[in-house]
Amino acid sequence: KAGVTQTPRYLIKTRGQQVTLSCSPISGHRSVSWYQQTPGQGLQFLFEYFSETQRNKGNFPGRFSGRQFSNSRSEMNVSTLELGDSALYLCASSLHLGQPQHFGDGTRLSIL
Amino acid sequence: AQSVSQHNHHVILSEAASLELGCNYSYGGTVNLFWYVQYPGQHLQLLLKYFSGDPLVKGIKGFEAEFIKSKFSFNLRKPSVQWSDTAEYFCAAMEYNQGGKLIFGQGTELSVKP
Repeated sequence: KAGVTQTPRYLIKTRGQQVTLSCSPISGHRSVSWYQQTPGQGLQFLFEYFSETQRNKGNFPGRFSGRQFSNSRSEMNVSTLELGDSALYLCASSLHLGQPQHFGDGTRLSIL
Repeated sequence: AQSVSQHNHHVILSEAASLELGCNYSYGGTVNLFWYVQYPGQHLQLLLKYFSGDPLVKGIKGFEAEFIKSKFSFNLRKPSVQWSDTAEYFCAAMEYNQGGKLIFGQGTELSVKP
C-alpha cells in the first residue's frame, strides 16, 4: 500500500509569492491533516479535512488555507509568503477523524 | 491551553542501556495519546498509541508506554536500546471526539552510542 505522498519535496520561493502544496493520502483514508515543522516551534497543527470539509483549524493566519477534493487528495495554499513561513510542511492521513495518522515525507519550503 | 511537554531535549545512551522518555499533557478531558518516531531522513512513524483500556501499551520495536491518568503522563520506555534507535521521538495528544488535531511535544532527540 503506498504511503502518504507529498509534492513537491522541495520548493524555493521569494517573499510575497504564493505557493500550493499537494498531498495524496493513503488509499481509503478520508481524513487529511496538515502540520508545520520548524526548529523553533516544533510541530504545529494547521488544519484538518474530512469529506471535503475543514473540521479543525490551528492558530495560523488566514494566509494559510487548504482544501480537500472528492478523492480525498488535499492541497494547502500559503499566500503572501513571509520569511517565517520557511518550514517543513507535513501532511498526514487517517481512515477517519480521530484515528492514528500516517505522515508523508513533507515539503520543505524555503523563502528567500 | 492544551499542551504536551517532553522533559528531555536530548538524551545520550550507550547500547543496551534502558530508556525512559517523559511526556506530560494538560487536557481537561479524555485524550488519546501517541508516540511518534522520526529516524534521520525519514518520515514520522507511529510507535504506539493509547486510546483506552490497559494503561500499559506495547508498540513496535520493543517500545512500550504507560498512561498514568493521575499524573497526566505517558512515558515511553525500552529496556535495552540499540544504535538503530537513534532518532527524534515525539509525544502527541488528541482530544477525544474532537477530530484529529494532534498537539505535539517539543521532541526528544535520542543518540545511542555503539
